Amino acid sequence: NAGVTQTPKFRVLKTGQSMTLLCAQDMNHEYMYWYRQDPGMGLRLIHYSVGEGTTAKGEVPDGYNVSRLKKQNFLLGLESAAPSQTSVYFCASSPMGNGYTFGSGTRLTVV
Amino acid sequence: QKEVEQDPGPLSVPEGAIVSLNCTYSNSAFQYFMWYRQYSRKGPELLMYTYSSGNKEDGRFTAQVDKSSKYISLFIRDSQPSDSATYLCAMSLAGGTSYGKLTFGQGTILTVHP
Repeated sequence: NAGVTQTPKFRVLKTGQSMTLLCAQDMNHEYMYWYRQDPGMGLRLIHYSVGEGTTAKGEVPDGYNVSRLKKQNFLLGLESAAPSQTSVYFCASSPMGNGYTFGSGTRLTVV
Repeated sequence: QKEVEQDPGPLSVPEGAIVSLNCTYSNSAFQYFMWYRQYSRKGPELLMYTYSSGNKEDGRFTAQVDKSSKYISLFIRDSQPSDSATYLCAMSLAGGTSYGKLTFGQGTILTVHP
């Protein structure tokens, strides 16, 4: 089925560990986004990309890095995980903005 | 103060009721307004999409935008238990440099009981 696929679905990290979240879309969308969702805070934009090879900071970029080496993939990296990064992470893509398709999310716990 | 405010609820209604969900916002430059539905442990899915002020209807769902009051609403008629979910409002600026970045409300948890 066409859509946005996120891996892994769940992960537990120890403080200081690193990891990469992978987002893949097969809809040939130009724009891709990483959001985090926390209780009472809604969805907040971490980083986004408007095309292959481009990345830009969103509202809450500190502690995260991203890469978009291929159009269909958007990677989110945590270099040194902190408990404050415990959250549900969503990737989304859109053809030229606004009409997002979301992935099913990655639940990350940092202990 | 958050740019987009949404009452988190929870909201509990009987089946068949009319549901009204609302958001207010502070940035008058927002031009695109959306409602997303999110089932438990799933990603949000786009429900309604409107540009500028006015109404849009899709089946049992009606979205209203009042830019003069900076207020948007989503009405659900003949609500069903399958409508039980979290509803998120979202909005964005017009123009290419916004790159479709959305600002979300906190979400309203809705339960429709049989």
